[in-house]
Amino acid sequence: DIQMTQSPSTLSASVGDRVTITCRASQSISSWLAWYQQKPGKAPKLLIYKASSLESGVPSRFSGSGSGTEFTLTISSLQPDDFATYYCQQYNSYSPEITFGGGTKVEIK
Amino acid sequence: QVQLQESGPGLVKPSETLSLTCTVSGGSISSYYWSWIRQPPGKGLEWIGYIYYSGSTNYNPSLKSRVTISVDTSKNQFSLKLSSVTAADTAVYYCASAVYYYDSSGYHRHAFDIWGQGTMVTVSS
Repeated sequence: DIQMTQSPSTLSASVGDRVTITCRASQSISSWLAWYQQKPGKAPKLLIYKASSLESGVPSRFSGSGSGTEFTLTISSLQPDDFATYYCQQYNSYSPEITFGGGTKVEIK
Repeated sequence: QVQLQESGPGLVKPSETLSLTCTVSGGSISSYYWSWIRQPPGKGLEWIGYIYYSGSTNYNPSLKSRVTISVDTSKNQFSLKLSSVTAADTAVYYCASAVYYYDSSGYHRHAFDIWGQGTMVTVSS
């Protein structure tokens, strides 16, 4: 099984801050990593796929990087709409299983 | 544009079988793979399993013995059955899908870019 570990679990930040969330895989997943944003009572929304590809319609302040086992999601300038919980997900095509990270809640400082 | 809608009972008794259906609208059920994901109250996301258009399935090892996912292409629906439920199965259940595609390096699954709104299922007597 591929385990996904996100850090931190909670992050306090202010509007305008640069925010970075880390996700580590227990084994190499190449670039088969996605990032989702979830707001209370809503379904997750895809932000980034294949580690660094921005989903259509997602603001360019969101970016993803990494490959292998270590990945990051960066929000270059945090906006009020960005306070939410973020999840990473591995979907390695060479492994049948899918795994989510534990989530990172971005709170207002 | 493909849209998904979950349906099914919101309350299931312990030891019984949870059954949910996801109806696909706005597109064909082919060329995609179809998944169920759940989220217990206040907790993170847990992948349950997925099914390809062909009917081939893969399940979360921790739930495999209790899960069945099936697809009805004639109705543009796919379904989840989870047997022998307990209170630990109380969660919001989401259906989700994404393209399953072929390129020079083989077949690949895309990340989930289509989600249903989710349906809350409570396990209680």
